[in-house]
Amino acid sequence: AQRVTQPEKLLSVFKGAPVELKCNYSYSGSPELFWYVQYSRQRLQLLLRHISRESIKGFTADLNKGETSFHLKKPFAQEEDSAMYYCALLSPNFGNEKLTFGTGTRLTIIP
Amino acid sequence: EAQVTQNPRYLITVTGKKLTVTCSQNMNHEYMSWYRQDPGLGLRQIYYSMNVEVTDKGDVPEGYKVSRKEKRNFPLILESPSPNQTSLYFCASSVLAEEHHTGELFFGEGSRLTVL
Repeated sequence: AQRVTQPEKLLSVFKGAPVELKCNYSYSGSPELFWYVQYSRQRLQLLLRHISRESIKGFTADLNKGETSFHLKKPFAQEEDSAMYYCALLSPNFGNEKLTFGTGTRLTIIP
Repeated sequence: EAQVTQNPRYLITVTGKKLTVTCSQNMNHEYMSWYRQDPGLGLRQIYYSMNVEVTDKGDVPEGYKVSRKEKRNFPLILESPSPNQTSLYFCASSVLAEEHHTGELFFGEGSRLTVL
């Protein structure tokens, strides 16, 4: 069974400091990994996906198959980064794809 | 505006009183899904639908029903609500690429349900 683990429920970082939100997964096949974000009073929305290999709002995430991790990183935190972040895994089983979310990490940027 | 709309946004009800949470999307998405969000448990999938008249159970389907008679609507039905169904519910939709889930979900604003 697939599983996504986000070990930190809460994370506080000073403005300008580096940010790393941890995500580990368990899945026997080749998963697709995503990060979703929910800002205060906004809808949950897709932040980035590993297959795009892009940087969104300064965030990047690299899929490490050896460590089964997909940590989200940003070199310099900004106050507007305060939000709830969810890591998600898509198991590509044709006709029965399943998007599994982790329990989320609430990131607070301290001014 | 392209979006997913849920109603009601807030509801307080009593045990056993049937209720329906509606979900509608205007993006012509094939895939729709319901999640519940609980503290410490994150988002858990209740039911999903790959297309009209095609629905399937997620991880926590007990106590819920859904239907997909039209592409745009995917109501969540609680036939006999119980206090353990007090939660924040999210509806989401997604386009399918060649019948495959893309992983990009568009979420509604959420419906906070309290069952007394």
